[in-house]
Amino acid sequence: DQQVKQNSPSLSVQEGRISILNCDYTNSMFDYFLWYKKYPAEGPTFLISISSIKDKNEDGRFTVFLNKSAKHLSLHIVPSQPGDSAVYFCAASVQGAGGTSYGKLTFGQGTILTVHP
Amino acid sequence: DARVTQTPRHKVTEMGQEVTMRCQPILGHNTVFWYRQTMMQGLELLAYFRNRAPLDDSGMPKDRFSAEMPDATLATLKIQPSEPRDSAVYFCASRWENIQYFGAGTRLSVL
Repeated sequence: DQQVKQNSPSLSVQEGRISILNCDYTNSMFDYFLWYKKYPAEGPTFLISISSIKDKNEDGRFTVFLNKSAKHLSLHIVPSQPGDSAVYFCAASVQGAGGTSYGKLTFGQGTILTVHP
Repeated sequence: DARVTQTPRHKVTEMGQEVTMRCQPILGHNTVFWYRQTMMQGLELLAYFRNRAPLDDSGMPKDRFSAEMPDATLATLKIQPSEPRDSAVYFCASRWENIQYFGAGTRLSVL
């Protein structure tokens, strides 16, 4: 039972263009979503997050969009740079009042992004 | 520059041997997680602790895996006996507010 899915195993983009990474979830209890970036031989690094009370969060070149009705979120990278080439993981958690999960994350399978010069 | 530290970074061992992986969380972070990454399963949660108390270890094979947090600066994950199917990268993460911060991982190869 995969509660968080990234259906595209890989994405190839030209430098300077937009990269769009997608993520779907099934558990309606999820109320906090994160994107992590991972380089080879390193641990995942936090990139950007969004609470379910918002539909957009922006940080520099990175924007995350959340569509709660569709249970879908996406990460936009504009403009894409070769240094953005990495594996991107979507993750979801239940943070709400009274929750006892203490931020336990459920990860998608990851999308390998390659940005060509 | 605060970071989660994991040791060893690489471990090669033979089937049946005991393996111990260590994690030093970021000072002040009171929730610690252990994950395993494999090609087939992606990143899966094994266990996690809050204020050193185990909260959930349902992701671990109980017969061979054990996780402890003897003090606030050390979390351990043990496998005894190890099997080839345990070969994976094991990550530790500590949490501050809503964000988990990951260590660089321990790459385990069981021959």
